[in-house]
Formats: sequence, structure tokens, C-alpha cells
Amino acid sequence: EDQVTQSPEALRLQEGESSSLNCSYTVSGLRGLFWYRQDPGKGPEFLFTLYSAGEEKEKERLKATLTKKESFLHITAPKPEDSATYLCAVHGYSSASKIIFGSGTRLSIRP
Amino acid sequence: GAVVSQHPSWVICKSGTSVKIECRSLDFQATTMFWYRQFPKQSLMLMATSNEGSKATYEQGVEKDKFLINHASLTLSTLTVTSAHPEDSSFYICSKKAGREETQYFGPGTRLLVL
Repeated sequence: EDQVTQSPEALRLQEGESSSLNCSYTVSGLRGLFWYRQDPGKGPEFLFTLYSAGEEKEKERLKATLTKKESFLHITAPKPEDSATYLCAVHGYSSASKIIFGSGTRLSIRP
Repeated sequence: GAVVSQHPSWVICKSGTSVKIECRSLDFQATTMFWYRQFPKQSLMLMATSNEGSKATYEQGVEKDKFLINHASLTLSTLTVTSAHPEDSSFYICSKKAGREETQYFGPGTRLLVL
């Protein structure tokens, strides 16, 4: 069964303090790994899709990387507006159209 | 990314009433849409896959008679919570796939509060 585990559950950083969020996954054949940002009371906003180990994608202060067992979302010099819950999800070949979400990391950036 | 809207954005109803939530694909047709439920501080849980012109596929543990899904057109899927009870209070979000990567793009969500 496909599984996704995110850590830490919550992370508080000072503005400008870089860090990484982890997404560990188990899937029988990875079709894609997704990162989303979710603000309170809103739907998830798409950030990245990664397909194969070694792949990296960047968007502003965010950089996502992928290995065969986990993905990292690196945030460089974060700003208060980066505060949100970051969700990781996987789409495996055994799960048809379904994607499986992790429980998310609640990121809070203090000014 | 793809554009999805939901209506209403929030709804309060009395226990025992039915509530309909609309999910629209605004930029292109979507033969498949997804309905999720999210409880506070928890992740998204897939409820069902909505297929245009055919019956929805429900996830294990989701009552199909309680959560009625209709996907009558290529741009609209509806979720009706029948005889709602306080435990149905949640955040309901729909999504659709787009692009070769089949990335899912989400609507803004509907907050349901059943009194």
C-alpha cells in the first residue's frame, strides 16, 4: 500500500533562517511526487511535480529534490508570507488515478 | 495551472437537511474530478472520483447514499451531503487533473458547518 510520511509536523523559523521539510514515501512504482502549499481555509496550491530520483525543481525560495525513498522541500531565507502548511503527495502505478497525501508540515516564519 | 471553482465557499445548515456543493472547471473540460474531505489539522482524504456520464467511484468507508455525486457535464460536478449531521462538518475540496503529468489542481474548498 502506498504511504507518505511528512516531518516535522510543525516547524517554526525566524525570517531568513533556511531549513528543509521531509517527505518519505513508499510506493510500488512512482508516477509522480507532488508538493502543494495550503493556506488556512483554502484549497491546496500546486508547487512542484517530481518524477525520478535526482530530479530538482525550484520556484523562488523553494527547491524540491527527490530520491528513491524521500523528497525534500528546501526553503531558503524564508519570509513571513511563506508561512503555510506544505503537503506532499504521491501517485503510484498501483493506485490508478488516486494520489495519496501526507499529513503536512505546518511552517511558521517569525518576522 | 488549471482553474477550479467551488460554490458556496461556506455553508451553515441544520441537522437533517441536505447541502449541495458545486465544483466547476473554468478553463477546460474535465471528464474526471475528485472530491476530498479535510478535518482540522488533518490532511486531505479522497472521498470519491467523479466521472462524467457515469457513476462515481467511492473510497472505502464513504457512504455513497449519503454523499451523492453527479457529474452531468464536462465542466460541473456536484456533491450533495444528504441528511447532514454535525459529524459531517468539514472542509470539502474538489480537484481535477491537468497536463501530461496529470497534476491535480484544487478548488478553493467549501466549509460546511452542520448545527
